[in-house]
Order: sequence, then structure tokens, then C-alpha cells
Amino acid sequence: EIVMTQSPGTLSVSPGERATLSCRASQNINSNLAWYQQKPGQAPRLLIYGASTRATGVPARFSGSGSGTEFTLTISSLQSEDFAVYYCQHYNNWPPWTFGQGTKLETK
Amino acid sequence: QLQLQESAPGLVEPSETLSLTCEVSDDSIVSVHSYWGWIRQPPGKGLEWIGNIYYSGTTSYNPSLKSRVTISVDTSKNQFSLKLNSVTDADTAVYYCARQARIAATPQYMDVWGKGTTVIVSS
Repeated sequence: EIVMTQSPGTLSVSPGERATLSCRASQNINSNLAWYQQKPGQAPRLLIYGASTRATGVPARFSGSGSGTEFTLTISSLQSEDFAVYYCQHYNNWPPWTFGQGTKLETK
Repeated sequence: QLQLQESAPGLVEPSETLSLTCEVSDDSIVSVHSYWGWIRQPPGKGLEWIGNIYYSGTTSYNPSLKSRVTISVDTSKNQFSLKLNSVTDADTAVYYCARQARIAATPQYMDVWGKGTTVIVSS
């Protein structure tokens, strides 16, 4: 099983600033990585797939990068609606398709 | 636009079987572009992929749950289902159904999610 590790667990950032979230895979997953945003009481929402492709309707301030084992989600200028929990998920080869433990993005 | 809606069983007794159904609307479950999956989230915790199914009936399961899980599909009703037997407190969670994109014949990211349904295991 591929283990996905996210850091930090909690990130405190002021609105308007940049946020950088990290995700590491325990083995090479190429670019088979997705990022999700989850707000309290809601289902996760797909933000990024293929490590760097924004899903339909996702604002351009969200960007993803990386390949292999190291990945980054960057939010260029935080808006109030961006404060949420973010999960990475691999979909490389065989199951299970595992998620990271999440990074909570909170207001500083 | 594709929508998914989980049924709502609510409370399940320990050692019993959890049964959920996901209704697919505004698109056909018979799609070469889709797998249909289940993901769960215990209270205050992260996401766990349970398994998925293709419209033909081909399934994949999380090895940690494989001995207790069955996912099935009913194309006539445009829905798919989850059964988890011998439940314990550890199975208390919000259960989501989701579409898992099928690209190059492999399941990938989850791009459409149901709203989720809370299942509590308790006597």
C-alpha cells in the first residue's frame, strides 16, 4: 500500500497571502495525484488531478506541482472561502487508492 | 450534470450488516468513463477508499476491508450499493459515494461526490 503523508497538519495563513501545502508518497506515483478541498459538513471537492490540472470551475489561484514522490498545492492569494481541509490522493496502479491525512488551512 | 445521492440507513447494530445505495441521476451508470466508488470518513478523521465497481460488475476493494465488503451494481435502476458485514464501532463514519474517472481503463480521481450519509454503529 502506498502511504501518503501531508505536511503540515495545520497551516495558519492570513487572507491574501500564499499558502503552500505538501504531500509525499511512499513510492513513485508519477503524476497520478489529486487534491481535494473539504469544508465542514460537506463532501470533498476535486481541485487538481494529474498533479497539476485544475478541475472544472476551480479558480486559477489554485495550482499543483510535482511528480514522483513530492507534490505541492499552492493557493496564491487566500480568499475567505479557501480555509478548509485539503487532502491529497494517489491513483497510481493498483488499489487501494489512499489519501493523505489532510492539512487544515486556518486563518492566522 | 451528474449527481449522486446516498441512501440513509442511520443506525446499525454491532455485528450486523451495513447496507447503502447510491442513486446516480442525470447520467447513466453504464459509462465507459466511470467507476463507481465508496469512500468513508470516521468522525474527525481522514478519508478511506472502500472500493469501486464498473458497470459490468468488476470490483476492486480495499484489502483492509475486503473480507467484509461487497459492492454491486443495478444498471436497470441506475444505482450501485455497498454492503459491509460484521460492523463494529470502528465502522461509524460518513459514507460517500463518488464517481471515479476511468481513464486508460483504470480508476483515477473522484470528480463527483454524493453529499454523504452518516452511519452510526451502536446497540
